Amino acid sequence: AQTVTQSQPEMSVQEAETVTLSCTYDTSESDYYLFWYKQPPSRQMILVIRQEAYKQQNATENRFSVNFQKAAKSFSLKISDSQLGDAAMYFCAYRSYNQGGKLIFGQGTELSVKP
Amino acid sequence: GAGVSQSPSNKVTEKGKDVELRCDPISGHTALYWYRQSLGQGLEFLIYFQGNSAPDKSGLPSDRFSAERTGGSVSTLTIQRTQQEDSAVYLCASTTIGVIRTGELFFGEGSRLTVL
Repeated sequence: AQTVTQSQPEMSVQEAETVTLSCTYDTSESDYYLFWYKQPPSRQMILVIRQEAYKQQNATENRFSVNFQKAAKSFSLKISDSQLGDAAMYFCAYRSYNQGGKLIFGQGTELSVKP
Repeated sequence: GAGVSQSPSNKVTEKGKDVELRCDPISGHTALYWYRQSLGQGLEFLIYFQGNSAPDKSGLPSDRFSAERTGGSVSTLTIQRTQQEDSAVYLCASTTIGVIRTGELFFGEGSRLTVL
């Protein structure tokens, strides 16, 4: 079975600085998707960025980018120019390419942004 | 509706009582998921509905948990004989078959269940 691990329960960053959130996963599959979701205090999860495993190029969405290391099964999220609105819980998630729609989530990292 | 709607937002119940949590997905979304988020934990998959296919119930923690989806739209998650360890936020999400492979789920704000 696939597992997703986030080893940083909490992280803190100064406003305008850069922070990297770590995620590792375990799978025997070669085709899959990886995601970072953000959960603000409102509890509503929002997709931040996604990566297809077959793509070597790292995904980027504005200030958010990932470092995808397939061999190491690592998928970190980098937030540049951090803003106060980035403060939230961040979840890494895995989805098998072929096994239905279910996402497997990590334990989450709570990010605080200091003004 | 504009987004996934869940009710109640908060529910406090006594141990041993049954509870029902409701999810109204985005109109036209054929896939619907239930997840459980316990304090300090990640999201635990419970059940997944896709169109008319048999649901994937592999995440339901015990036979006290059940869910149904009527008419391919609204879903109800039922917890019978609630226990204190059932206390958690129950999140519902939906998506369309067109984007299901990309993993973009649209989540509701969840129902916080507290079992005393």
